[in-house]
Amino acid sequence: DVKVTQSSRYLVKRTGEKVFLECVQDMDHENMFWYRQDPGLGLRLIYFSYDVKMKEKGDIPEGYSVSREKKERFSLILESASTNQTSMYLCASSFRARGRQEYFGPGTRLTVT
Amino acid sequence: GDSVTQMEGPVTLSEEAFLTINCTYTATGYPSLFWYVQYPGEGLQLLLKATKADDKGSNKGFEATYRKETTSFHLEKGSVQVSDSAVYFCALSDPTNAGKSTFGDGTTLTVKP
Repeated sequence: DVKVTQSSRYLVKRTGEKVFLECVQDMDHENMFWYRQDPGLGLRLIYFSYDVKMKEKGDIPEGYSVSREKKERFSLILESASTNQTSMYLCASSFRARGRQEYFGPGTRLTVT
Repeated sequence: GDSVTQMEGPVTLSEEAFLTINCTYTATGYPSLFWYVQYPGEGLQLLLKATKADDKGSNKGFEATYRKETTSFHLEKGSVQVSDSAVYFCALSDPTNAGKSTFGDGTTLTVKP
C-alpha cells in the first residue's frame, strides 16, 4: 500500500514563527503536492513538485515556500506564520503518467496564534 | 482553465436512500476523472476513477460514468449506509495541465439511521 506520511497531525505555532511541515511518500512518485483545505473553499494548491529540486507555484503560494531535496520528501515552509495561515494542510503524491490518482497524507491541522 | 463544479451540500439522507452527487467539468484536454472521499479526521482517498469517455468507475457500491457529451461524472449509490457519511470530492487530471489535479469544492454527506 502506498503511504504518505506527514510529520504532525496537530501543530500550534505563534505569529512570526518559521514553520516546517514535512511530507514523505514511499512509492517513488515523481509528483508531490501541498494543499490547504478550509471550510467552504475546498482544496487549494499551494505548491507542486514534479521532480527533485523542481517546483511550481500553485494557486496560493504567497507566504509559503517549498523544498524537495530528495524524491520521497517534500517540505512546506511558512517563513513567518500568520493567523490567516491557520488551516488544514494536506500533502499528496502521484506518478507522472496519465490517469494517475493522487495519494493523500492524513493532514496537519495548523493553528497560528 | 480547467474547472470542476459539484453539487453544493450538505446532503442529508436516511439509511438505504438513493444517492446522487452531480459533477460537471471543463477541461482543455482529455482528462481522467476521479471521485475522492474524505472521512472525518482523515486525508482524501480515491473512491473510483474513469480515464476515458463512457468508462464506468465503481467501488463499494458507488458508481460514476464518464459522459463526454455532457461533461459530467455524477456519483451514485443505490442504498447508502451511515458509514458513507463523509465529504466527497470530484476531481479531474488533465494531461495538458502539467500533472496537476483540479478539485471540486466537496459535498458533505450525512446519512442518518
